[in-house]
Amino acid sequence: DTGVSQNPRHKITKRGQNVTFRCDPISEHNRLYWYRQTLGQGPEFLTYFQNEAQLEKSRLLSDRFSAERPKGSFSTLEIQRTEQGDSAMYLCASSLLSYRDRPPGANVLTFGAGSRLTVL
Amino acid sequence: AQTVTQSQPEMSVQEAETVTLSCTYDTSENNYYLFWYKQPPSRQMILVIRQEAYKQQNATENRFSVNFQKAAKSFSLKISDSQLGDTAMYFCAFMKHRSAVQGAQKLVFGQGTRLTINP
Repeated sequence: DTGVSQNPRHKITKRGQNVTFRCDPISEHNRLYWYRQTLGQGPEFLTYFQNEAQLEKSRLLSDRFSAERPKGSFSTLEIQRTEQGDSAMYLCASSLLSYRDRPPGANVLTFGAGSRLTVL
Repeated sequence: AQTVTQSQPEMSVQEAETVTLSCTYDTSENNYYLFWYKQPPSRQMILVIRQEAYKQQNATENRFSVNFQKAAKSFSLKISDSQLGDTAMYFCAFMKHRSAVQGAQKLVFGQGTRLTINP
């Protein structure tokens, strides 16, 4: 178990370009989350997958953002036509939903180191 | 909606001292979880300690303990015998208790407290 892996760690791009980030969760984890963290703030929820299904999206996730988890393993987060306001750290987290948890739902999220986006 | 407030943007203590980080939250939920996460510089966020709201006993993990005051909606973190490796951003976070069929177990984070341990 190598934890949650995110690539690239840092991406610098020009406004208007598209960028894609990848997240490899802990292998047995069936839930995957994307969060965004701007400088000096705590992370904010963007979206979440259970296996390959994207079940919830935040209003923060504009139509320029798209996330996929095609086989229920790794996930990608793509930002199209980047804007300077997209500059942030994009964090991925995963957890294991276990119906045997007592109490159910107390799953702990394990975070990756993040992908920092700088839009010039 | 839930909110989490950390009123101390920065704190600094000497190595081996005890330090307490404050956190308050606002919710109408009765069943929930509270967390403290640590984010070292340029490194991933790590869970420090977790508290279930239904438990009256305060959680402890080695040098880390919490003071959970449910009525006051307060959840402070105490670090005893602080070490240089404790230097990091510390985030307090809230999660509603949701069953497996109710969807995402989203964390709501505070703004963070930057803690520096000085030699």
